Amino acid sequence: QKEVEQNSGPLSVPEGAIASLNCTYSDRGSQSFFWYRQYSGKSPELIMFIYSNGDKEDGRFTAQLNKASQYVSLLIRDSQPSDSATYLCAVKPDNYGQNFVFGPGTRLSVLP
Amino acid sequence: DTGVSQDPRHKITKRGQNVTFRCDPISEHNRLYWYRQTLGQGPEFLTYFQNEAQLEKSRLLSDRFSAERPKGSFSTLEIQRTEQGDSAMYLCASSLGGPSSTDTQYFGPGTRLTVL
Repeated sequence: QKEVEQNSGPLSVPEGAIASLNCTYSDRGSQSFFWYRQYSGKSPELIMFIYSNGDKEDGRFTAQLNKASQYVSLLIRDSQPSDSATYLCAVKPDNYGQNFVFGPGTRLSVLP
Repeated sequence: DTGVSQDPRHKITKRGQNVTFRCDPISEHNRLYWYRQTLGQGPEFLTYFQNEAQLEKSRLLSDRFSAERPKGSFSTLEIQRTEQGDSAMYLCASSLGGPSSTDTQYFGPGTRLTVL
């Protein structure tokens, strides 16, 4: 069973702080990793993806991948109240299957 | 709007009835996915199409569920003899498959099903 784990939260950070969201996965052969943001009652929207070890930055967001540790994280700099949402980690297990395996999500609350 | 669309957005039905949902993917995307999401959980994969071919289906998917993508464009998901446990958000996603693609999936707004 391929699993993706995340702390369910809630993770509370003050406005302007760095929010750090973590995700671990069980399938060592996993190739691609995605972070989605989901507001309550809405569908997931893509933030960014990463498939190489190291860091990838996009605006206030940085994804970090460590395949040896089977760990991927998302950092949100200068957190804003509008960042309050559930963040879903999704893993594409290999190059053959097409489905994503999602974690349960971490609920982030940015306090004004 | 050229994103993924789903219809209806909300569906309330009585136990035992059949329901059908529709998904229209992003026009150039050849891959289409169905997921189910319940409160507090991440989306759970149901099935996947490459053009009109259904290539993957979750082992967890009951035989009451069937999906089609007859012309490789829109897709339908039918649930027969609905049960209260089918109450969930049904999400459709599409992606542009291909060797140079990361296969990033873009989600539609979802159909929220309530079975009474």
